Amino acid sequence: QSVLTQPPSVSGAPGQRVTISCTGSSSNIGAYDVHWYQQLPGTAPKLLIYGNRNRPSGVPDRFSGSKSGTSASLAITGLQTEDEADYYCQSYDSSLRAVVFGGGTKLTV
Amino acid sequence: EVQVVESGGGLVKPGGSLRLSCTASGFTFRNAWMSWVRQAPGKGLEWVGRIKSKTDGGTTDYAAPVKGRFTISRDDSQNALYLQMNSLKTEDAAVYYCIGPSGATGLNAFDVWGRGTMVTVSS
Repeated sequence: QSVLTQPPSVSGAPGQRVTISCTGSSSNIGAYDVHWYQQLPGTAPKLLIYGNRNRPSGVPDRFSGSKSGTSASLAITGLQTEDEADYYCQSYDSSLRAVVFGGGTKLTV
Repeated sequence: EVQVVESGGGLVKPGGSLRLSCTASGFTFRNAWMSWVRQAPGKGLEWVGRIKSKTDGGTTDYAAPVKGRFTISRDDSQNALYLQMNSLKTEDAAVYYCIGPSGATGLNAFDVWGRGTMVTVSS
């Protein structure tokens, strides 16, 4: 059972918008930044969003992140078939003194 | 080019030991808080542990499932990170990734990932 809770799967048609939620607690998301990763099939994860809402260079602005209280969300607009991947949220937990990941969400386009 | 390359994976019997290595290049390794993350086949990402930079104390933290069995160390002169795994269990079987921040995304967001090295624990 992951400390950060994500829906196991989401889906959307090409061109649509989807959101992926990440729910935590006051000892993790409530106190620390949230980061998001995209893992395409057969590859290593890639940083998609850092510091709740910032995109690394090269990440399309179709991807956006937000955080409110003890929850965070990743939104993907203008869905493309190449967005089909697993998405993970990540933060730090002060009670566990550990980096924590969500269980991952599989996006089907 | 910013990159890390893991090595040392393989097949080991339950109760055995294995040492993974990671060589970094293209970023200021000595300033990076480096972590190991693993992913069992068909499963999600699981943080294994991290080591802070020597400037920040060089201390280590571990996930509960590996605490007392795994040890992370670093050699900044070689831009190298290590994961010593002892008393291995079948549930430790996974792809192990060396990860870290290049410096552009803060201390706890990992923009540097290797391709991973596979560890199989089986008799």
